[in-house]
Amino acid sequence: GDSVTQMEGPVTLSEEAFLTINCTYTATGYPSLFWYVQYPGEGLQLLLKATKADDKGSNKGFEATYRKETTSFHLEKGSVQVSDSAVYFCALLNTGTASKLTFGTGTRLQVTL
Amino acid sequence: SQTIHQWPATLVQPVGSPLSLECTVEGTSNPNLYWYRQAAGRGLQLLFYSVGIGQISSEVPQNLSASRPQDRQFILSSKKLLLSDSGFYLCAWADDGNQPQHFGDGTRLSIL
Repeated sequence: GDSVTQMEGPVTLSEEAFLTINCTYTATGYPSLFWYVQYPGEGLQLLLKATKADDKGSNKGFEATYRKETTSFHLEKGSVQVSDSAVYFCALLNTGTASKLTFGTGTRLQVTL
Repeated sequence: SQTIHQWPATLVQPVGSPLSLECTVEGTSNPNLYWYRQAAGRGLQLLFYSVGIGQISSEVPQNLSASRPQDRQFILSSKKLLLSDSGFYLCAWADDGNQPQHFGDGTRLSIL
C-alpha cells in the first residue's frame, strides 16, 4: 500500500536559517503530494501541493518539488521565522481512494531567536 | 467560499459517558467527509470517512461510530467513552476526485 516517510523531529533552527524537511513516498500510479502545517492547538492547514512530476508547490516562502525519480517531496524555506514553529505533515493522495490521504508522522519545527 | 465548523472546541468527559461531536461544512455539495484522531505528539489516524449521506466507512475497529444524517453534517459518537479515547479529533472535507482535504479546528477530548 501507499506510505509516506518523514524525517524524525524535532528540528530546531535559529531564525533566518535554511529549512529542509525530508519526505519520501511509496505509491502505485501517480499520486498528488501535499504539505500540511499544524500550529499549536489548531487543525491542519494546507500549505502547498503538487499534482504531477516536476511540479513545484510554493506558499508563504515554502517550496517543495515533486521528484518522481527519487520519490521525494522535500519541504524547504530559505529563511525561517519564529512564527513558522509548527508541526509539518507530508501527505499523498492516490486516485480512486475517495480522497483519502496517506500522512507521514509529522515533523515538529522549533525556531528560536 | 467553503468553511468547516467543529464543536465543541474542548470537552472533558468521565469514563463511561456518551459522546457526540459534530462537524458541518458550508459552501459545497456532496463533499467527502472524514474523522481523524490525533493522540498527543502523534500523527493522524483516519477513523471514518463518508462519500455520501448514510454512507460510512470505518478504517479501524474501535469504540466509536460515525453518522452522516445530512449532506454536510458528520457526527462522531460513542455510547461509553474509554480512557483511550482521549485525543484531538479533527474533521475534514474534500471535493470528489484528486482534491486535498480541508480541516476543521479540532476538538480536544479529555477523558477523566
